[in-house]
Amino acid sequence: QLVESGGGLVEPGGSLRLSCGATGFVFSELWMNWVRQAPGKGLEWVGRIKTEAEGAPTDYAAAVKGRFSISRDDSLNTTYLQMNNVKIEDAARYYCTISALWGQGTLVAVSS
Amino acid sequence: SYELTQTPSVAVSPGQTARITCSGDSLPKQYAHWYQQRPGQAPILVIYKDTERPSGIPARFSGSSSGTTVTLTISEVQAEDEAVYYCQSSDPSHSYWVFGGGTELTVL
Repeated sequence: QLVESGGGLVEPGGSLRLSCGATGFVFSELWMNWVRQAPGKGLEWVGRIKTEAEGAPTDYAAAVKGRFSISRDDSLNTTYLQMNNVKIEDAARYYCTISALWGQGTLVAVSS
Repeated sequence: SYELTQTPSVAVSPGQTARITCSGDSLPKQYAHWYQQRPGQAPILVIYKDTERPSGIPARFSGSSSGTTVTLTISEVQAEDEAVYYCQSSDPSHSYWVFGGGTELTVL
């Protein structure tokens, strides 16, 4: 199971940190992805973090590169999405996923 | 940037077969996966690695691949299959995921 949290209302230019807790599988062995979905729109990949054994490298979509960062804490079976310099177009439901398993998502609203 | 192209909508009657296609230049070299998303719900993986079906997914769902096109086939469509279906693959460098725009399946 994957459970996201941390969503809410943020002002443009502000910051927010999302969390995703995992249970039921060996978290440390899997790459964790973040995917978002703006209201009424399709799925958009945000980024991914590989395993600590691989050095936990990250990749990001062009739309968020330089503003968002992904980290993980295998001791807590949790991955994080740090969102900085948030823009209006970042408003969406954010999911963490390992492809075969998705959380229910956490909603981020952006408004002044 | 790499793109996957899906037909926006498909409509079939109950009991018929629905075919949803996804096209992309790198699909001959990269696996494709399919997700079902019902309104208000998170996506669910229904096909992975072009043709494999996860446990718990009905056998009515199948996948195939030919050249630059992958196809999700839903046989004997039921009302509960009404959803948006997304294909997903990776860019040629394996650095990032790409999603198709989604196909809305309507069961008449």
